[in-house]
Amino acid sequence: QVQLVESGGGVVQPGRSLRLSCAASGFTFSSSGMHWVRQAPGKGLEWVAVIYYDGSDKYYADSVKGRFTISRDNSRNTLYLHMNSLRAEDTAVYYCARDHTSLSAVATGWGQGTLVTVSS
Amino acid sequence: SYVLTQAPSVSVAPGKTATITCGGNNIGRKSVHWYQQKPGQAPVLVICYDSDRPSGIPERFFGSNSGNTATLTISGVEAGDEADYYCQVLDSSGDHWVFGGGTKLTVL
Repeated sequence: QVQLVESGGGVVQPGRSLRLSCAASGFTFSSSGMHWVRQAPGKGLEWVAVIYYDGSDKYYADSVKGRFTISRDNSRNTLYLHMNSLRAEDTAVYYCARDHTSLSAVATGWGQGTLVTVSS
Repeated sequence: SYVLTQAPSVSVAPGKTATITCGGNNIGRKSVHWYQQKPGQAPVLVICYDSDRPSGIPERFFGSNSGNTATLTISGVEAGDEADYYCQVLDSSGDHWVFGGGTKLTVL
């Protein structure tokens, strides 16, 4: 079965950087588009970024464009999110999600999330 | 950017039918997906491509999409259906996901 395990969250000061990881198993990682979605405390879901199955294309929400970078290592079945210039409004639980397709369509599997808190 | 509108809350008695809507400009031309999220848990896909049910989702969950409104209908509501429900589509770029604000379903 699909398993996605996020790690790397924690408390970080504004302006600093953090890297999240998502270890995937139970499916052919190299054939799936992968996403990051976040949820601020008590708020709804917000899509963050997508990377195509082979890493050839990446797209970002306007709120993180230029600060966050999504990447993947298909040899390690791992997805990453590099977050720079963090702001208080980036505080959220970050979920990785597997796409039904090799590109971007719908999430058929989610991790349990990792909490990022941006605070001085 | 494309906007999806959901009512913040819906309440229904056990055994009755819950209707959760998702409004968007010509949303009937898009594929709509629905996720269920219980407190402290990750979202779970309950309806994809307007009306398809993933494996393991009860037949009580039904989706439809036409015009400017997509609808998630849950028949014979049970206490375990109490959760937040989110609709999701691709925006006009074909790559960015857009989520509705979510609807909290309360089972009375």
